[in-house]
Amino acid sequence: SQTIHQWPATLVQPVGSPLSLECTVEGTSNPNLYWYRQAAGRGLQLLFYSVGIGQISSEVPQNLSASRPQDRQFILSSKKLLLSDSGFYLCAWRSRDIGGEAFFGQGTRLTVV
Amino acid sequence: SQQGEEDPQALSIQEGENATMNCSYKTSINNLQWYRQNSGRGLVHLILIRSNEREKHSGRLRVTLDTSKKSSSLLITASRAADTASYFCATAYPKSSGDKLTFGTGTRLAVRP
Repeated sequence: SQTIHQWPATLVQPVGSPLSLECTVEGTSNPNLYWYRQAAGRGLQLLFYSVGIGQISSEVPQNLSASRPQDRQFILSSKKLLLSDSGFYLCAWRSRDIGGEAFFGQGTRLTVV
Repeated sequence: SQQGEEDPQALSIQEGENATMNCSYKTSINNLQWYRQNSGRGLVHLILIRSNEREKHSGRLRVTLDTSKKSSSLLITASRAADTASYFCATAYPKSSGDKLTFGTGTRLAVRP
């Protein structure tokens, strides 16, 4: 069966520090991968999505970047965090062939102080 | 930017009552999906309706889709306290448009025992 791992679960980082959040998927090949951010009590904002290794589409210009070094690995990064980067970050995957439901990781709660 | 807008933003009902949430979107879609999120957790897929379908059922869930109005509704019948959560609609773009999956603003449902 397929599983998605996202870590860490919580993170407190000072302003100006770098960020690296990792997401890996098991049990499937060639998934579409997504990063979302959710502000407290709000909806999900699509940040990046990827349909293949090295292929990254950015939805909103911001202080973040994403990379997909391997088929089932998706990394969200920042060189210098801002206070406004605080939020709940969610990784998800979908079957590229079926294009159906998305499967989510448990999320990372990032607080920038 | 978020594709969908949902209303109401919050809904409080008594156990046993029905809950209806609505979702509107802006552009042509491949399918529309509904998800549930318990506080501080990842999202869980509930039901998917394709653009050529008008209604779909799954247990106590009933989803309708009106592509002419670009809107969908989720009905939860005979609600239970355990249904308390946030509910999101998500719109899936065709592959030709990048295979994105974007989420609405969500409805927070509280079911009083």
